[in-house]
Amino acid sequence: GAVVSQHPSRVICKSGTSVKIECRSLDFQATTMFWYRQFPKQSLMLMATSNEGSKATYEQGVEKDKFLINHASLTLSTLTVTSAHPEDSSFYICSFDRVADTQYFGPGTRLTVL
Amino acid sequence: AQSVTQPDIHITVSEGASLELRCNYSYGATPYLFWYVQSPGQGLQLLLKYFSGDTLVQGIKGFEAEFKRSQSSFNLRKPSVHWSDAAEYFCAVGALTSGGGADGLTFGKGTHLIIQP
Repeated sequence: GAVVSQHPSRVICKSGTSVKIECRSLDFQATTMFWYRQFPKQSLMLMATSNEGSKATYEQGVEKDKFLINHASLTLSTLTVTSAHPEDSSFYICSFDRVADTQYFGPGTRLTVL
Repeated sequence: AQSVTQPDIHITVSEGASLELRCNYSYGATPYLFWYVQSPGQGLQLLLKYFSGDTLVQGIKGFEAEFKRSQSSFNLRKPSVHWSDAAEYFCAVGALTSGGGADGLTFGKGTHLIIQP
């Protein structure tokens, strides 16, 4: 099956700093990818959709200036959490749309903001 | 707006017993429906999906799901569970965009499956 990697798997940072999470598809190219956020014991919530070479589309309530998405290529996307605060602590998961109907997910990144 | 309801937060099943995880959805058009499994430290793995056609869908690991439009349901089943099936299971609904690309998925809250020996 399709393989998607995320780096780092875990990150701890101080409040006010920025954190970059990298998402990479290892064996396919995809125009569209997604970033989700998962709170403990809860569902995944779609944060944003991005197409390679275009600006990301953010879901209602997601601050685009706080969560910067760069879809640099057909195999790489990054999410930068700027000026992180404890409430940004969460599990962030990316996915690539390999075909027009199925997403392949990365293993997730656990962010803890102290 | 679309939504997905998984009414069971936890389910405990004895190894070898049958399993049914419930999923109800709300969507204005014909939905694309998915079941994913999430194990600790691993990404979401697609078990099966339904787009159209036969309403009984076969997936990996012996799972199947049945789409019932009249009940807005897409329940996941397995005739005999194994200890390795213990995980978090998510039902999700999606669609294609007007341009033919994928849309972001709406997930249910998940069902935590516990397998008793």
